[in-house]
Amino acid sequence: DAGVTQSPTHLIKTRGQQVTLRCSPKSGHDTVSWYQQALGQGPQFIFQYYEEEERQRGNFPDRFSGHQFPNYSSELNVNALLLGDSALYLCASSLVGRGEGTDTQYFGPGTRLTVL
Amino acid sequence: AQSVAQPEDQVNVAEGNPLTVKCTYSVSGNPYLFWYVQYPNRGLQFLLKYITGDNLVKGSYGFEAEFNKSQTSFHLKKPSALVSDSALYFCAVSDTNAGKSTFGDGTTLTVKP
Repeated sequence: DAGVTQSPTHLIKTRGQQVTLRCSPKSGHDTVSWYQQALGQGPQFIFQYYEEEERQRGNFPDRFSGHQFPNYSSELNVNALLLGDSALYLCASSLVGRGEGTDTQYFGPGTRLTVL
Repeated sequence: AQSVAQPEDQVNVAEGNPLTVKCTYSVSGNPYLFWYVQYPNRGLQFLLKYITGDNLVKGSYGFEAEFNKSQTSFHLKKPSALVSDSALYFCAVSDTNAGKSTFGDGTTLTVKP
């Protein structure tokens, strides 16, 4: 049973470019959350997707957008990259269903994004 | 709004001694509390969670945490530390089991032989 997987592992971009990060949830999970972890800080919640819709969103600008596919996998897109977007981007999956969640968030290994 | 404070950036203990990593939280409503561990260049590994019930929660690798509602604390403990426990530990709070989690800034635990 594969856990949460993310691709790519590392990515280097320049300011102003756009990037897409990918996440496959743990088998049986229906919800994907994205977090940004800057160096020396705890993860910060970006948004959560359930049933292909954004369910919750943190304090991130509209440059950050996402998508969830019918197979529950997800993408995080960041437009007009800034130097400050350099961070480890973590994907977490969980089983939420239609009521209150019954499962914990399990995290993937992350994608290290460097913006030059 | 919800928040987490981990008052210690660094905790140092000798192998075999008990360890405590501190966490205090603020959340409206009933808290869902979590501890995660992160090894270098890795994602977060779930250790344990408190949702309701017994105030002492047991988790992976011999870790446990004590929920104290009056002090709004959720300290991580282990009776006997191992060198391999050395890592970065994060406390997190949510108002649901698997919704938006707010994390502390982490505590680096170093266990010396």
